[in-house]
Amino acid sequence: GAVVSQHPSRVICKSGTSVKIECRSLDFQATTMFWYRQFPKQSLMLMATSNEGSKATYEQGVEKDKFLINHASLTLSTLTVTSAHPEDSSFYICSASARRLAGRDEQYFGPGTRLTVT
Amino acid sequence: GNSVTQMEGPVTLSEEAFLTINCTYTATGYPSLFWYVQYPGEGLQLLLKATKADDKGSNKGFEATYRKETTSFHLEKGSVQVSDSAVYFCALSEINNNDMRFGAGTRLTVKP
Repeated sequence: GAVVSQHPSRVICKSGTSVKIECRSLDFQATTMFWYRQFPKQSLMLMATSNEGSKATYEQGVEKDKFLINHASLTLSTLTVTSAHPEDSSFYICSASARRLAGRDEQYFGPGTRLTVT
Repeated sequence: GNSVTQMEGPVTLSEEAFLTINCTYTATGYPSLFWYVQYPGEGLQLLLKATKADDKGSNKGFEATYRKETTSFHLEKGSVQVSDSAVYFCALSEINNNDMRFGAGTRLTVKP
């Protein structure tokens, strides 16, 4: 149980285009979803937290107009990288939590999406 | 604020060697502590966790004990395998679940 999927797993796009990444909780309802960014050989950096039906809360330094997050349902959150540039190339990982599962403080991670902007 | 400090890698061991990856934390409250593993090109998988002082988390031969007196959660395994080669992240989370902090990660390579 508690499986989180991401789509696509890899995407290559041209500079200036937008890319949408989906994060789904497959067998539970996620009250909260998180988006992280991971640079090569570095740790995860939290970008934003989203609760179903409300606006995402962004971490300091993360541009909310560039990284659009939509949490339209209890099983789906999307991250759209708008007007992507090469410096946006990174590994994006989502996670989801649900208070009824195994305590309130565990996040279940997706497999990640590698974005390459050329 | 809360933070996690992990021993720097990379760590290279021979198969069947003993593994220790140190992790210490700073927290204002009573966090839960986690170890995650990341295999090449993949996301994070929960390896083990402990939710209160003196708890021991264990999984797949890995163990870590929540030591409140030393604010530590060191990861150990008695005999590593080549398949254990991965990056290991120590993390903590407060009860509200919106403040998970990760260590920098430690890359482990196990050679046959």
